[in-house]
Amino acid sequence: DGGITQSPKYLFRKEGQNVTLSCEQNLNHDAMYWYRQDPGQGLRLIYYSQIVNDFQKGDIAEGYSVSREKKESFPLTVTSAQKNPTAFYLCASTTGGNTGELFFGEGSRLTVL
Amino acid sequence: QKEVEQNSGPLSVPEGAIASLNCTYSDRGSQSFFWYRQYSGKSPELIMFIYSNGDKEDGRFTAQLNKASQYVSLLIRDSQPSDSATYLCAVNYGGSQGNLIFGKGTKLSVKP
Repeated sequence: DGGITQSPKYLFRKEGQNVTLSCEQNLNHDAMYWYRQDPGQGLRLIYYSQIVNDFQKGDIAEGYSVSREKKESFPLTVTSAQKNPTAFYLCASTTGGNTGELFFGEGSRLTVL
Repeated sequence: QKEVEQNSGPLSVPEGAIASLNCTYSDRGSQSFFWYRQYSGKSPELIMFIYSNGDKEDGRFTAQLNKASQYVSLLIRDSQPSDSATYLCAVNYGGSQGNLIFGKGTKLSVKP
């Protein structure tokens, strides 16, 4: 079955540590996105990539980094520079067609201890 | 600053009633509009999308768009307890496909 796989589903981190969240898709989608969601909040865009080896900052990119070395993969690193990293992180992809529909992974919940 | 506004709720309706969820957006250049449903602890899933003024129906769901008033709504007929979730309105302002601005969501509770 086609879809988006995020891992890990739950992650605990000590302050000062970098962590990397994995996102893999087999939908053959060109564009991939990372969103952050805090309780009672909408989704806020961290980074997005429309093609391999290229990515753009979203609204809240500070303290995060990404790479796009393969079409299928778009990992997100939460660095120690991110002051409040505890959140629900969602990876998404789209074909870039007329609908603009986003397909989401199941999410990764990061808790900083 | 492009914004999407939703009433956070909770909106409580009895089973079988019509639930009406509303969303306003700030930029007249907006091109496409989406409603996502998100169950607690889960990722969003697309319910409806609409591009043109008027109504669009899909089963128990109807999306309504009024670009002059910058207003989009979602009606859920014959509401079921399984419809209890947070509904996110999202707007594409014409940038990168999939680069959506999301509202904070309206929490819907359908009481048996």
